Amino acid sequence: NAGVTQTPKFQVLKTGQSMTLQCAQDMNHEYMSWYRQDPGMGLRLIHYSVGAGITDQGEVPNGYNVSRSTTEDFPLRLLSAAPSQTSVYFCASSYSAAGGQPQHFGDGTRLSIL
Amino acid sequence: DAKTTQPTSMDCAEGRAANLPCNHSTISGNEYVYWYRQIHSQGPQYIIHGLKNNETNEMASLIITEDRKSSTLILPHATLRDTAVYYCIVRVFSGGGADGLTFGKGTHLIIQP
Repeated sequence: NAGVTQTPKFQVLKTGQSMTLQCAQDMNHEYMSWYRQDPGMGLRLIHYSVGAGITDQGEVPNGYNVSRSTTEDFPLRLLSAAPSQTSVYFCASSYSAAGGQPQHFGDGTRLSIL
Repeated sequence: DAKTTQPTSMDCAEGRAANLPCNHSTISGNEYVYWYRQIHSQGPQYIIHGLKNNETNEMASLIITEDRKSSTLILPHATLRDTAVYYCIVRVFSGGGADGLTFGKGTHLIIQP
């Protein structure tokens, strides 16, 4: 019963480095999304996808890229890491984005940019 | 999305029922009420949702008033592991759109031994 799996759980990067945060779900969900959560703040949507091959920007997309080549995977790429991107990143999925569909979240990736 | 109002914090004794209120007086007819919780340093966890009728699952019960302007999440037998921040979210769609889920500040529920 894997649900939504995020890797890595922790990562430290230097400013300017790039990396990919992985997110995979095994529930055949069409809708997937990425959020970031900063200390004492709520979640903010970065990017989302309503199905394979379709992605769109959320509230805070700058500095991040996504792709959705399969239903299962939705990786988040940091192009050139900046200290302002230090945060906890959560991936979520649901059967669809329609009303009445619960979102299932991963356990998060804690990212520090030095 | 309709605005929600929740108490900042609540205490409940272990083994007792925890009743968490949420006001959503501007809710529209096609908006669902969703409840999530976040235990410290973990990802948000879906609890329950409803549109008009009361709902119950293995985790909790959701009571929605007839006018739909408020709701109560009930954890029937609270345990220490239920200590978390609980979020009441009112929206039409479960996801999607540029704004995503807005979790707000929620209610910090502390279960006392």
